[in-house]
Parts: sequence; C-alpha cells; structure tokens
Amino acid sequence: EIVLTQSPGTLSLSPGERATLSCRASQSVSSNYLAWYQQRPGQAPRLLIYGSSSRATGTPDRFSGSGSGTDFTLTISRLEPEDFAVYYCQKYGSSPPLTFGGGTKVEI
Amino acid sequence: EVQLLESGGGLVQPGGSLRLSCAASGITFSISAMSWVRQAPGKGLEWVSAISGSGGSTYYADSVKGRFTISRDNSKTTLFLQMNSLRAEDTAVYYCVKGGSLTPSYYWGQGTLVTVSS
Repeated sequence: EIVLTQSPGTLSLSPGERATLSCRASQSVSSNYLAWYQQRPGQAPRLLIYGSSSRATGTPDRFSGSGSGTDFTLTISRLEPEDFAVYYCQKYGSSPPLTFGGGTKVEI
Repeated sequence: EVQLLESGGGLVQPGGSLRLSCAASGITFSISAMSWVRQAPGKGLEWVSAISGSGGSTYYADSVKGRFTISRDNSKTTLFLQMNSLRAEDTAVYYCVKGGSLTPSYYWGQGTLVTVSS
C-alpha cells in the first residue's frame, strides 16, 4: 500500500504570495494518478487537480499541479483570501484502498 | 446538477449500530462506483469503503472490516453504510463520494456526523 506524505504540515503566507505544497509517495504512482483536493472549514473536500496536472472543472488557473513518479507539487501562484484552506493529495487508479495524504493547511 | 445527500448520522453508544444513507441524483447511479470517506474531528481524510456499480464488489478499510457493510439500491439511487459494533474512534463526519479507487473523487456529499459516545 502506497503511503502519501504531505509537507509542510502548515504553510503561513499572505494574500498575493505563492504557495508550494508537496506530496511524496512511498512508491511510484502509476500513470500519475494523483489528485489534489481543497477543503475549506465546514465544507466537503473539492477536487482541484487530477492526473497530476489537469485542472478539474471550475478550478482557477492560479492552481497548477506537477510531478511524476513519487514527487508531486501543487502550486498556487497568487493566494486569494478564499484559498486559505487545507489541501489533500490522493492516489487513485488501482484497487482499494484509496489513499490520502495527511494534508497541508495554508493559513494567513 | 449532481447531488449526494447523506443522512442517518447521530449520537450512538459504543457497541451500537447506525445506518447511513446517501441519496444520489444527477448521475447515472447504476454504473457509478461509490465510496464512503470519513474525517474524524480535526483530522484528515480516511477512506472507509467502496462498492461497484452493480453492487457485486465491495471493499473495506482494515479499520472497519467485519463491522461495516456497504450496499446500494440502484432502483432508488441510494447508497448505504451499515455500521455495527461502533467504537469511539469511529466518530467522524462521513462523506458519500462518487467514484471508487480507480477514478478521482469528483463529487462529495455534505457529510453526516456520527458520534460514538456514552
């Protein structure tokens, strides 16, 4: 079973700054089946990125995903107030279990 | 518009049972794998269980195997999670999710809170 490790645990930034979030897998993720989710307080998670770098419908273009193999990155080019939230990476594309990273909180 | 509406959460004593439901609309339910994902208070996301579109294949996290049962009624486009022998560590918001482990989790319900406490 692949383990996903996200870093840092918390990222303290200001609006307008760039955020770089990391997700490292314990084994190579086949076909880059890696997704990113945003969860705002009191809300359900929302899919942002799938296939490592494809934006889901409605994801602003300030969000970008990159990486392959075991190292993946979510970049938010210029933080907007609504981007302060928790972000999770997820591995999919194979038999269960579905695996999530521990999350990165982006705070002001 | 896709809607996943969970219900059935609440307060239950340790050792008790609860049945969660998820009413789906806006999707072709009978061909959609579905999952339950939970989130303990202040914690991250944990996959709980998944079921194929036909209901013929089911999968469970080790933490709930033997205690939880996932099922579905395609005629009523509803997903279920029967939870028995509940423990304090099962306390969480339970989300209904469209998709199994082969695809990203495109759609999530709003969640239903299960609290296991005496």
